[in-house]
Amino acid sequence: EAQVTQNPRYLITVTGKKLTVTCSQNMNHEYMSWYRQDPGLGLRQIYYSMNVEVTDKGDVPEGYKVSRKEKRNFPLILESPSPNQTSLYFCASSPRLPPYEQYFGPGTRLTVT
Amino acid sequence: SQQGEEDPQALSIQEGENATMNCSYKTSINNLQWYRQNSGRGLVHLILIRSNEREKHSGRLRVTLDTSKKSSSLLITASRAADTASYFCATGESNFGNEKLTFGTGTRLTIIP
Repeated sequence: EAQVTQNPRYLITVTGKKLTVTCSQNMNHEYMSWYRQDPGLGLRQIYYSMNVEVTDKGDVPEGYKVSRKEKRNFPLILESPSPNQTSLYFCASSPRLPPYEQYFGPGTRLTVT
Repeated sequence: SQQGEEDPQALSIQEGENATMNCSYKTSINNLQWYRQNSGRGLVHLILIRSNEREKHSGRLRVTLDTSKKSSSLLITASRAADTASYFCATGESNFGNEKLTFGTGTRLTIIP
């Protein structure tokens, strides 16, 4: 089944403890992206990647890192999480550039205390 | 920066009625897309309209795009309870090799049985 998977789905952590949210797609898509969703602010793009080893900042990249070593995986890394990074995170992929229809993962709900 | 702004923020209608949502944006775009999100879940792509198109249909969905006014509308005809969800517009931009998809804040649609 064609899909985008994210793990974990739910995570509660403490300030400063490094964490990684994994994202994987099995559709051989070139474009992948991370978003965070907050009430009243909609979805905001954190980072995106147009292909392996090609990543760029979105609108809210501060406090996040990404890597794209393989086409299928695009992990999101929080080196030192803070409470303002409590949010719902979505990974998405798209088969073509510029980004056409995007396929979203199920989301990761992160709480930083 | 937020590109798309949906209007209204929330809409409640009776089942069977038509629902119209609007999206305005600020800069030149390659395409405009509409997505649906059921509560807390990942977004699902509904329809994409390119910048050189004016209208597009998909089942009960009709999307219009007016690039001179930088606006789009999504019409859902003969609404059903299952259409209850949040709807987001997203604008695809291509700028000096940077490919971005920017989402609006969404319209919360409630269909009253």
